[in-house]
Amino acid sequence: KAGVTQTPRYLIKTRGQQVTLSCSPISGHRSVSWYQQTPGQGLQFLFEYFSETQRNKGNFPGRFSGRQFSNSRSEMNVSTLELGDSALYLCASRGQGANEKLFFGSGTQLSVL
Amino acid sequence: TQLLEQSPQFLSIQEGENLTVYCNSSSVFSSLQWYRQEPGEGPVLLVTVVTGGEVKKLKRLTFQFGDARKDSSLHITAAQPGDTGLYLCAGRRSGGGADGLTFGKGTHLIIQP
Repeated sequence: KAGVTQTPRYLIKTRGQQVTLSCSPISGHRSVSWYQQTPGQGLQFLFEYFSETQRNKGNFPGRFSGRQFSNSRSEMNVSTLELGDSALYLCASRGQGANEKLFFGSGTQLSVL
Repeated sequence: TQLLEQSPQFLSIQEGENLTVYCNSSSVFSSLQWYRQEPGEGPVLLVTVVTGGEVKKLKRLTFQFGDARKDSSLHITAAQPGDTGLYLCAGRRSGGGADGLTFGKGTHLIIQP
């Protein structure tokens, strides 16, 4: 079974630009969540999607958005990039059940210059 | 204020030594998970504990969930260089209704040969 795939692996953008990151979950997983990881704040929850619907959202500004497609693939978008958005963005998928384990992708390392 | 406080933040020990890392909170969690993350990769789930007082063993790793379900510890016996990594605890809050995990900032562990 293929794992969670995130693309691109690395990305360099400049302030004010926008970026779209992609995540393909494990086959059969309908839940996809996104996290931002920085050295200062650690891993912080962005949002979770299930069957194309946003189920929960973390405490991030509206510049951060996401969506999920019918094949469970998900994208997140960050508009008007700021220097502080530089981080590792991780996507995770999970199966059914409240305690089903999260499977993380390797992440997209975003650098904003 | 971080909801989950992990200590120590950094730990460097010699191969063969024992160690314990801690994850503490003032909040009650319905479940708590431990992950290990290696550089350039996403976190990988090691264990989930759900019952207060629960102890789980995974080879040389022993995980304990506090009786009040507010804290957890990870004990490694006879540490090996392969144990090097970032250890993260993550919890789902009781009654919170949110599916997003709350992560601690992690313990950076280095095992020197």
